[in-house]
Amino acid sequence: KNQVEQSPQSLIILEGKNCTLQCNYTVSPFSNLRWYKQDTGRGPVSLTIMTFSENTKSNGRYTATLDADTKQSSLHITASQLSDSASYICVVSAGLGNSGYALNFGKGTSLLVTP
Amino acid sequence: SAVISQKPSRDICQRGTSLTIQCQVDSQVTMMFWYRQQPGQSLTLIATANQGSEATYESGFVIDKFPISRPNLTFSTLTVSNMSPEDSSIYLCSAHRGTYNEQFFGPGTRLTVL
Repeated sequence: KNQVEQSPQSLIILEGKNCTLQCNYTVSPFSNLRWYKQDTGRGPVSLTIMTFSENTKSNGRYTATLDADTKQSSLHITASQLSDSASYICVVSAGLGNSGYALNFGKGTSLLVTP
Repeated sequence: SAVISQKPSRDICQRGTSLTIQCQVDSQVTMMFWYRQQPGQSLTLIATANQGSEATYESGFVIDKFPISRPNLTFSTLTVSNMSPEDSSIYLCSAHRGTYNEQFFGPGTRLTVL
């Protein structure tokens, strides 16, 4: 069964600090991995998307890594800001052939950045 | 990127009634998707809506409960029928675009059923 597990479930950090969120998956066949940020009351917004051959990708203060061998990904947030408070969702896409695919969602990590 | 809007943004409904949620995309897309996100849970796909054909429903979701329309390539509706408190959730519309079929989401509709 395809699964996406995220840790920690929730995290509280001080403004300006760095943090790393984890995503482990058992999805096959792997197509790509995406990190989304979901603010409270809003829809998820894409931060990064990585294919099998990519092992790191940055988007401003967000850096995602992917180890396709161990099926692990991380999202590193540098110099956190209050606006980083949100849920971060890891989504792994499984190829279904004929250009079809299925998305497997993690439950998300709830991040709270405090002053 | 794609801009997706949803109406209403939130609603409080009585048990037994129905609510239709509208989703508008700023450009034509082949497939649109409807998700449900219950409190503290990940997104669950309800159905895939293709223009010109019936929607494809995931296990656990049926057309009588969640009828979907897709009249054109930029618009879709999801109806939550005969609602019960268990239907209280956030309902999200999405579409994909780009090389990696990147998924874009609407802002969601927060539904509370009393």
